[in-house]
Amino acid sequence: DAGITQSPRHKVTETGTPVTLRCHQTENHRYMYWYRQDPGHGLRLIHYSYGVKDTDKGEVSDGYSVSRSKTEDFLLTLESATSSQTSVYFCASRGSGGDQPQHFGDGTRLSIL
Amino acid sequence: AQKVTQAQTEISVVEKEDVTLDCVYETRDTTYYLFWYKQPPSGELVFLIRRNSFDEQNEISGRYSWNFQKSTSSFNFTITASQVVDSAVYFCALSGFSAMNTGNQFYFGTGTSLTVIP
Repeated sequence: DAGITQSPRHKVTETGTPVTLRCHQTENHRYMYWYRQDPGHGLRLIHYSYGVKDTDKGEVSDGYSVSRSKTEDFLLTLESATSSQTSVYFCASRGSGGDQPQHFGDGTRLSIL
Repeated sequence: AQKVTQAQTEISVVEKEDVTLDCVYETRDTTYYLFWYKQPPSGELVFLIRRNSFDEQNEISGRYSWNFQKSTSSFNFTITASQVVDSAVYFCALSGFSAMNTGNQFYFGTGTSLTVIP
């Protein structure tokens, strides 16, 4: 399996605080993704990256920003967390080529009080 | 537009029954790929299978089988003789690639939650 680690695995924070989630992959994959998973909504794409410093928005990008300064790292930042951003966040990466599956990290459970 | 529909939100079966999870997709790409993922109660997302648009052969892996039909834009997943360990949420996904799309994005269905009752 692709080596993808997310940190932290769990976080509880207060409304209005900034939060950064980290994703690290050891597969030299070009593409990386951040999703959130909420009951009844499946996986929703927040942002994705198609190379170092190349990122684009997904369907639920409002309130989130991302950065990718190295191939292996993809950061997701909530500038001012809101309770609606309480969710489970998954990072994924995949190699080049449409036939490549996405490989996922184990997720981060984020609670915003 | 790219879209994946998993109309079955929740399914419950009794152990040893067969169950089919439906997946219908929409795409304008002529080359595309379809995937199934499993998310057990522990929460991780596990890649199960990939199929490309040029290969309509069914695939069987143990108790799992996949039926890909381009004519109906479907990629259904059947579990034979279900077991409690099959209880999970299953996601179908579509990947296409176009010159306009630098993201090489995946499109996930909303998932089907399968419960196998002992």
